Amino acid sequence: QLQLQESGPGLVKPSETLSLTCAVSGGSISSRSYYWGWFRQPPGKGLEWIASIYYSGSTYYNPSLESRVTISVDTSKKYFSLKLTSVTASDTAFYYCATSLRGCSATTSCLTWIDPWGQGILVTVSS
Amino acid sequence: AIQLTQSPSSLSASVGDRVTITCRASQGISSALAWYQHKPGKAPKLLIYDASSLQSGVPSRFSGSGSGTDFTLTISSLQPEDFATYYCQQFSNYPITFGQGTRLDIK
Repeated sequence: QLQLQESGPGLVKPSETLSLTCAVSGGSISSRSYYWGWFRQPPGKGLEWIASIYYSGSTYYNPSLESRVTISVDTSKKYFSLKLTSVTASDTAFYYCATSLRGCSATTSCLTWIDPWGQGILVTVSS
Repeated sequence: AIQLTQSPSSLSASVGDRVTITCRASQGISSALAWYQHKPGKAPKLLIYDASSLQSGVPSRFSGSGSGTDFTLTISSLQPEDFATYYCQQFSNYPITFGQGTRLDIK
């Protein structure tokens, strides 16, 4: 079964770029069935979708973050990545990578329910 | 963006109680809704997809219903391991969005 694992620095300075990687195992990152995505949860707050990508490179971004976010996929190395530029303290959060089954129907977006999720990584923005 | 409003925001209940959590969408989303359970320090866990389909491996005491704008998650008989925060999520339109969460505590 699919398993995802986040990695990256736990501390990033204000105005710098947050970079995270998600390793995929137990399945193919080139599968046509899934979108690969990033989510976050600031301490004490709710969940927020950041961005998602298909194996072909097709991307979807949350408009609230789109100007600062880049998501990419490396199918040969079986991982996908997130870059968030110009971070501030409000970007401090648990960051999760996760998978959503491809929808793209008359009643759903191409992104559907999210399963499985990685364990998450806490990224703190502080000098 | 479609807004999802969960009620209540927090809830205290006892083992064995029947609990219902509501999620209301700001516009119709057909059945494009999922429910998750989230415990501190762990990955969110998918419980229900397509508003009423039980994810494989999830106990049958969990059930979901609704369509359009009003949805419910019901736990028929609370177990000790069910105390957590629950979120709804819509996947009808971009951006996909989550409710603010319902925290379920032990009474």
